[in-house]
Order: sequence, then C-alpha cells, then structure tokens
Amino acid sequence: QKEVEQDPGPLSVPEGAIVSLNCTYSNSAFQYFMWYRQYSRKGPELLMYTYSSGNKEDGRFTAQVDKSSKYISLFIRDSQPSDSATYLCAMSAWGIQGAQKLVFGQGTRLTINP
Amino acid sequence: SQTIHQWPATLVQPVGSPLSLECTVEGTSNPNLYWYRQAAGRGLQLLFYSVGIGQISSEVPQNLSASRPQDRQFILSSKKLLLSDSGFYLCAWSYGTSGRSQQFFGPGTRLTVL
Repeated sequence: QKEVEQDPGPLSVPEGAIVSLNCTYSNSAFQYFMWYRQYSRKGPELLMYTYSSGNKEDGRFTAQVDKSSKYISLFIRDSQPSDSATYLCAMSAWGIQGAQKLVFGQGTRLTINP
Repeated sequence: SQTIHQWPATLVQPVGSPLSLECTVEGTSNPNLYWYRQAAGRGLQLLFYSVGIGQISSEVPQNLSASRPQDRQFILSSKKLLLSDSGFYLCAWSYGTSGRSQQFFGPGTRLTVL
C-alpha cells in the first residue's frame, strides 16, 4: 500500500464549478500537508500549506485536513480555465535538521472547460 | 526574493553516458536542498536532500549520486546512465531553520536516456 493515495483522474469540469480534490494517507506521523499545482512541463508551485486539522482558506482555494480519517482535500471555487493543471498533494512528518522529506501523491490532472 | 535555477532545461543522453545536473539558489543562505524525480504521469520521488555543504542524505538506492560543493549549489550526477533514469528532475529548497518550512521547486530538467 502506498503511503499517499491520490486519484490520478483525469477530472474535467465546466468553468465556474466547484472542484474537490482528495488524498488519503496511511502514516499517522505526517504532520504537514501541502497542495502543489503543476502546469505541463513546469516545476510544482506551492498552493496551500497546513499543519493542523481543519480548514484553511486562500482566495478561491480551501484546504481541509482530517487527521482522524487520514484524509485531506483541496476545494477550488469558481474554477477558471487557468486552473487547468495537475494538482499534487504532499505531506511530511517532523523535519530532521530542518529538512522535510515530502511524500507525494500521484497527482490529479484537472481540466476546466470554458 | 529567492530564486532557484536548474540547468540544462532539457537533455537527451545515450545509455552508459555520464550525467551532471546543476541547481543553484539565490537570495537565501544555508538552505536545505532536495533532488526529486518525476516519472511520466507519476508523483515526485525524493532522491537526495542536504542540510549543509558536503552533507548528503540518500533516500533511494540507485544509479545516481549528489554533491553540494557550495552553500547554494546542488549537483546530481551519474557515471553511467540507464534507460530507467529518464524522467523530470526537480530541485527544491527550504529554509534551513525550521522543520515546518515549505519547499519551493525549480523549473526542472527533462532527461531522456536513449
């Protein structure tokens, strides 16, 4: 079993829809949870970073963490064609000497149709 | 502001040839540095990380090695490339003082081994 599971999609929705992306994990030591957005042939861009259970909102994006269920989500409101990308969840346990070993999900490929 | 550079952007190499990929970070001191590989349609896999000059930790036994000759320079090498070394190689950095710090990725190098 992989430490982090993420549905690879692809996921296609109309412009303006609410998008829900999810990951599950098995390692209860994970404390930090991130969502990255990756456009084709580019490096990942950090979207959201959370530490505790609950919700964190940033503009049209909301990250949700449920440690008891080992489940994290990213919601995108009022989705735009520019949101079309691959979304990667990532997580890590406590850092060692400040370094964090991120474990990534496979990534979900999202397309927003105008 | 901080900037991370990787070169070359694209590389095509024959099996058995050597490899050297370079990553440099500007605008910060004593960063933690990371090398990841992303196979086609897959998530990112951590290969190496470094918390200081000359300090390298390997995560996955493989045909690759890493070095950190200067504070903000990280090099990924191989003496003899294998077909399975093909992929998208990403360098990342994080602040070196906290285990909570986010990781920021470079633009990546796309390596094709023929």
